Amino acid sequence: EAQVTQNPRYLITVTGKKLTVTCSQNMNHEYMSWYRQDPGLGLRQIYYSMNVEVTDKGDVPEGYKVSRKEKRNFPLILESPSPNQTSLYFCASRKYGDYEQFFGPGTRLTVL
Amino acid sequence: SQQGEEDPQALSIQEGENATMNCSYKTSINNLQWYRQNSGRGLVHLILIRSNEREKHSGRLRVTLDTSKKSSSLLITASRAADTASYFCATDAGNAGNMLTFGGGTRLMVKP
Repeated sequence: EAQVTQNPRYLITVTGKKLTVTCSQNMNHEYMSWYRQDPGLGLRQIYYSMNVEVTDKGDVPEGYKVSRKEKRNFPLILESPSPNQTSLYFCASRKYGDYEQFFGPGTRLTVL
Repeated sequence: SQQGEEDPQALSIQEGENATMNCSYKTSINNLQWYRQNSGRGLVHLILIRSNEREKHSGRLRVTLDTSKKSSSLLITASRAADTASYFCATDAGNAGNMLTFGGGTRLMVKP
């Protein structure tokens, strides 16, 4: 089944404790992206990647890092999480030349 | 930055009625897409309309685009309780990475 998977789905952590949210897609998509969703603000793009080893900042990159060492994986790294990073995070991917994005199920992160 | 603004923010209708949601955006676009999100889940692509198109249909969905007014509307005809969800417009400005900018969404409730 074609899909985007994220892990973990739920995470509660404390300020300053480094964490990684994994994202993987099995559709051989070139483009991958991370969004955060906050009430009333819709989805805001954090980082995106156009292919392996090619990443760039979105609208709200501060406090986040990403890497794209393999085509299928695009982990989101929070080196020192803070409470304002409490949010619902979505990974998405799409194929080069197409416009439709495929979204993962989301990761609900709470930083205490 | 938030490109699209949806109107209304929330809409409650009876099953069988039509639901209309509007989206306004600020900059020129390559295409505009509508996504659906069930509570706490990932987004699912519904329909795409290109900047040179004015209207598009898909099943019970009808999308219009007015580039002179920088606005779009999504009409769901003969609504069903299962249509209850949040609906987001997303614009593709054709920038590097061709990633999307989302609006704040319309929460639709269809009462049986």
